[in-house]
Order: sequence, then C-alpha cells, then structure tokens
Amino acid sequence: GAGVSQSPSNKVTEKGKDVELRCDPISGHTALYWYRQRLGQGLEFLIYFQGNSAPDKSGLPSDRFSAERTGESVSTLTIQRTQQEDSAVYLCASSPVGIASGDTQYFGPGTRLTVL
Amino acid sequence: AQSVTQPDIHITVSEGASLELRCNYSYGATPYLFWYVQSPGQGLQLLLKYFSGDTLVQGIKGFEAEFKRSQSSFNLRKPSVHWSDAAEYFCAVGAGSGGYNKLIFGAGTRLAVHP
Repeated sequence: GAGVSQSPSNKVTEKGKDVELRCDPISGHTALYWYRQRLGQGLEFLIYFQGNSAPDKSGLPSDRFSAERTGESVSTLTIQRTQQEDSAVYLCASSPVGIASGDTQYFGPGTRLTVL
Repeated sequence: AQSVTQPDIHITVSEGASLELRCNYSYGATPYLFWYVQSPGQGLQLLLKYFSGDTLVQGIKGFEAEFKRSQSSFNLRKPSVHWSDAAEYFCAVGAGSGGYNKLIFGAGTRLAVHP
C-alpha cells in the first residue's frame, strides 16, 4: 500500500517568509509525528498527534512553529518568519497507534527546506 | 533527560567484513530501542526494535542487535557486510510522558563499504 507522503519535496524560501509543509500519513494510522533533521545530525522530535488527544508539542523549538492535523489524516507544519537556522529536512512519520503499543513508525521521504 | 549516543560518526569496513555499530542510551525506565537505516535519497527504514523479552533481536537485511541493560547499550551487528549496506544508521529510544510517544535519535553513524 501507499506509504507516508510529504510535499513539497524541496522548498526554498527567503528569510522572514512563512512556509507550510504537508504530510499524508498511511491510511488508518492514528498516530502522526514530525521530526527535523539538520545537516549531519540525527532527528529531533517536534510534535506528536494521537487521534483526538491534545498533541504533544514539547519538541517545537519556538512559537514560530505550529502544526495541525485534520482528524486522522493530513497534517501541516507551519513555520512563520523563517530563519536560516530553520533550514533542515522535515520528516513526518505515522504509526497505527503509538510506540507504547509496540508500533513501528513509518517515515516519509521528507521535505528539504532551505532558507536563504 | 533521555539521550542516545552513537560514538562513531563514520565507519569504513571492507565488503564481507563483520560490523558493529555502537549505541548507548540514557533512560530511566525500561527503554524501547530501535535501529533505523537511511540510504541516500530514501526515507528512514526500520531495521529492528527491542521492546521486551529476548535481548538479542533479529532484524531485516541480516542485522541483529543486543540489548545490554547493565551497559545501557544496544549495539547493531552484521556478520558480513554487503556494499549495499553503505548508508547512515540511527539508533533511537522511545520516550515520552504517559507513554512512549516519540523517538529520541542519536546523531547517526555513516557506514562506508570498500569493495
């Protein structure tokens, strides 16, 4: 079946502009995660959605970052007033329920964001 | 705070040689542990995971890992490396309040394979 998809695959923007990144999880997966991967580094957790529960936003680096999810489907990550340090690959993952249940997270191909 | 350390940033091995990638974690409770591989132009793929039970875990592509609680380690091994194994490898621990709802990743180990 279809995996996690993300769009756009690449985004180049100017400092100060807002950007929206989209994630389509695997159908039926209730849990959705956003991570950030800076060049040469591991992944940093940003935010987690689980069904209708309040999202875990503990990883968002600043109030310029926000994310929404429509039900158990599409999610958008918005970065306002982008800065050069926001340049990274943004990865989305989904899982049927959540790690605690023994689930595996399935990752999308990522969106490479470059802030000039 | 939870953390994952991968001491080796870059490793080079010859094709056919054995491989061990090191991973140490810091976590107060029983950890959920994962190894992922990231190949150029491809997304992250799960190699194996440990939740409980047998401390030696078998994964895909001939990889295995051993959980050693006394050493807070979860090292990845493969007896004979193939050129196609060249990639970046990430160790991760499942963490989060009220359940393990996020992954804490190490910085990764980049594996190069010589023919």
